[in-house]
Amino acid sequence: EAQVTQNPRYLITVTGKKLTVTCSQNMNHEYMSWYRQDPGLGLRQIYYSMNVEVTDKGDVPEGYKVSRKEKRNFPLILESPSPNQTSLYFCASSLWIGGVTSEQFFGPGTRLTVL
Amino acid sequence: AQSVTQLDSQVPVFEEAPVELRCNYSSSVSVYLFWYVQYPNQGLQLLLKYLSGSTLVKGINGFEAEFNKSQTSFHLRKPSVHISDTAEYFCAVSRLNAGGTSYGKLTFGQGTILTVHP
Repeated sequence: EAQVTQNPRYLITVTGKKLTVTCSQNMNHEYMSWYRQDPGLGLRQIYYSMNVEVTDKGDVPEGYKVSRKEKRNFPLILESPSPNQTSLYFCASSLWIGGVTSEQFFGPGTRLTVL
Repeated sequence: AQSVTQLDSQVPVFEEAPVELRCNYSSSVSVYLFWYVQYPNQGLQLLLKYLSGSTLVKGINGFEAEFNKSQTSFHLRKPSVHISDTAEYFCAVSRLNAGGTSYGKLTFGQGTILTVHP
């Protein structure tokens, strides 16, 4: 089954404790992206990647890191989480044909709470 | 820079009535435009997209949208809604570079919650 998986689905942590949210897709998509969703703010793009070893900042990259060492994986790293990073996080992937032209497939979301 | 404004945060409507969800974008260059839908406790699903060509775009579930370049708008419409259309709808934009492809940065609006009442 074609899908985007995220782990963990729920996470409660404390300020300053490094964490990684994993994202994996099995559709051989070039493009992958991370978003955070907050009430009243919609989805805001954190980072995106057009292919292996190619990443770029979205609208809200501060406090986050990403890496794209393999085509299927795109982990999101919070080196020192803070309470303002409490949010619902989505990973998405799509083909990269002339840019962001294709449907993005979204993972199920990771609800992160930073105390 | 690019930005998206969804003009209504909530739209209540009765079943079988028509609906329009409004989206305006800001960009100094050409863009790709998208509408996504999010059902409760789920990820997002693409409804339709405008890349080029006809300004009237048809999507899934009977939705359509019209691209208006002069007004920088991309409003979503459905002539007759169902209870099952109750969801949150997001407009998104990706601006294009000089070569006509997008940068990869995708900006979403704040979302419009559509509630269909029986």
